[in-house]
Amino acid sequence: AQKVTQAQTEISVVEKEDVTLDCVYETRDTTYYLFWYKQPPSGELVFLIRRNSFDEQNEISGRYSWNFQKSTSSFNFTITASQVVDSAVYFCALSEVTDTGRRALTFGSGTRLQVQP
Amino acid sequence: DGGITQSPKYLFRKEGQNVTLSCEQNLNHDAMYWYRQDPGQGLRLIYYSQIVNDFQKGDIAEGYSVSREKKESFPLTVTSAQKNPTAFYLCASSISGGQTQYFGPGTRLLVL
Repeated sequence: AQKVTQAQTEISVVEKEDVTLDCVYETRDTTYYLFWYKQPPSGELVFLIRRNSFDEQNEISGRYSWNFQKSTSSFNFTITASQVVDSAVYFCALSEVTDTGRRALTFGSGTRLQVQP
Repeated sequence: DGGITQSPKYLFRKEGQNVTLSCEQNLNHDAMYWYRQDPGQGLRLIYYSQIVNDFQKGDIAEGYSVSREKKESFPLTVTSAQKNPTAFYLCASSISGGQTQYFGPGTRLLVL
């Protein structure tokens, strides 16, 4: 089973619309970390946020907000008033301790967001 | 400016050839990582190193090799044993294992 599921392969919105990117994860760890990264067309992954499993407070940073709910194993990302510059692929990732004892980062397959002017 | 650099941006490999991708960081991070990204997919871990002179296989290490002789550098060699090397390769580093990883700009490898 996938450990990080981003069910939305591609989303297209018109500028100024709000958009939510879904992320559902699976882990047996009690201590884990969740991340969101942005990959613009240039290819480099840009770190957006890190959340640890003990902190369920929602976070807001400008037009970005994140909703972490342990009860549903979800860590959703909302962009308010989207802009063309938000067009990118967004990855959700989970950091947990694996069976071999190492802490690994597992990525979802990504959601491509296209913001039309 | 602190950051991670990868070179070259594009790399072409001929059949049977080994090629080496460079990754350098000046963030004073202990841990470094190599990922492979195929079109429309997420990243998969090839190798990682938590400290100089030590490295571990990731999920898809076959056909690849690495070295970590300096804290700043973590080169990846794609050997001729890697039968499907065409992909986008991303290098990352973090303060230590498990902490936030920061990524370089990537190298796109193509087979001639």
